[in-house]
Amino acid sequence: AQTVTQSQPEMSVQEAETVTLSCTYDTSESDYYLFWYKQPPSRQMILVIRQEAYKQQNATENRFSVNFQKAAKSFSLKISDSQLGDAAMYFCAYRSPYNTDKLIFGTGTRLQVFP
Amino acid sequence: EPEVTQTPSHQVTQMGQEVILRCVPISNHLYFYWYRQILGQKVEFLVSFYNNEISEKSEIFDDQFSVERPDGSNFTLKIRSTKLEDSAMYFCATHLSGNTEAFFGQGTRLTVV
Repeated sequence: AQTVTQSQPEMSVQEAETVTLSCTYDTSESDYYLFWYKQPPSRQMILVIRQEAYKQQNATENRFSVNFQKAAKSFSLKISDSQLGDAAMYFCAYRSPYNTDKLIFGTGTRLQVFP
Repeated sequence: EPEVTQTPSHQVTQMGQEVILRCVPISNHLYFYWYRQILGQKVEFLVSFYNNEISEKSEIFDDQFSVERPDGSNFTLKIRSTKLEDSAMYFCATHLSGNTEAFFGQGTRLTVV
């Protein structure tokens, strides 16, 4: 079975600085999807970024980018120019490529942003 | 932008009572899921639903839980006899196809007293 591990329960960063959140996963599948979700205090789950395993190029979305290392089964999220609104729980998630497959979440990293 | 809508946003119920949580998926989405998140813990999969039947369910999804899409639009999660440990945030998620991301509703906070 697939597992997702986030080893940093909490991280902090100063406004305008860069922070990297770590995620590793375990799978025997060669094709899959990886996601980072943001959960602000409202507790809504908001998609930040996604990565298809077959793509070698790292995904980017504005200030958010990933470092996807398939061989190492690592999928870290880099937030550049951090803003106060980035403060939230961040969950890494894995999904198999089959249509009905579920998301498997890590335990989350709480990010604090200091002015 | 299309969104997944869940009602109610917060439900308080007495132990042993039945609750129904409702979700209106994005209109052309085909795959539906329920997840739950106990306060301070990770998000856990409950059940997936496609083509009017359950595709997969977790160990959490026992006989006290059921899902249905009664009118072809709403997607509901019923808990027949709630327990204190059912207190959690319940999220509905939907997606269009296998290679697209899931969109989450804003969640229903269920409190069992």
